[in-house]
Amino acid sequence: QKEVEQDPGPLSVPEGAIVSLNCTYSNSAFQYFMWYRQYSRKGPELLMYTYSSGNKEDGRFTAQVDKSSKYISLFIRDSQPSDSATYLCAMTGLTGGGNKLTFGTGTQLKVEL
Amino acid sequence: GAGVSQSPSNKVTEKGKDVELRCDPISGHTALYWYRQSLGQGLEFLIYFQGNSAPDKSGLPSDRFSAERTGGSVSTLTIQRTQQEDSAVYLCASTTQANTGELFFGEGSRLTVL
Repeated sequence: QKEVEQDPGPLSVPEGAIVSLNCTYSNSAFQYFMWYRQYSRKGPELLMYTYSSGNKEDGRFTAQVDKSSKYISLFIRDSQPSDSATYLCAMTGLTGGGNKLTFGTGTQLKVEL
Repeated sequence: GAGVSQSPSNKVTEKGKDVELRCDPISGHTALYWYRQSLGQGLEFLIYFQGNSAPDKSGLPSDRFSAERTGGSVSTLTIQRTQQEDSAVYLCASTTQANTGELFFGEGSRLTVL
């Protein structure tokens, strides 16, 4: 079993829809949780960053962390075609990102006109 | 340049040959990472450099893989006697904030081993 599980999709939604992306994890030492967005043939770019449990909002994006359930989510409101990309969750432990991030396999999202 | 630069962007090689992949991190970034991304496998950690400390090599899959970072800046990932299963995108990332996970990635080097 992988430390981080993420549904690979693909997920196809109409423009304007609310998108929910999720990851589950097994390592209770994870404290820092991130979402990266990766366009085709590009490197991942940091989208959202959360420490421990709770919610964080940035524009159309909301990240949620539920440590009791070992479950994290990314919500995208009013989705746009430009949101079409692969979304990777990533996390790391008490020592912070100093060593290495553990990534999910990524969920491919397509937002259609 | 402003971002992490990787070269070559694409490399096709024959099984058994050695390859070198280069990473030029963002100026001033003390931490540098190599990851490998295979189809359907997500990003796999390979190696981490932080300043003058000994690198964390725990992710290197075999002794055919090695990496160096010269002068705290440019890094080279070397794969000896390449195998077909080495085919992947090799991503380099750098950061100043090694404790927050905010990594800045390059566009990767796509390696195909025939």
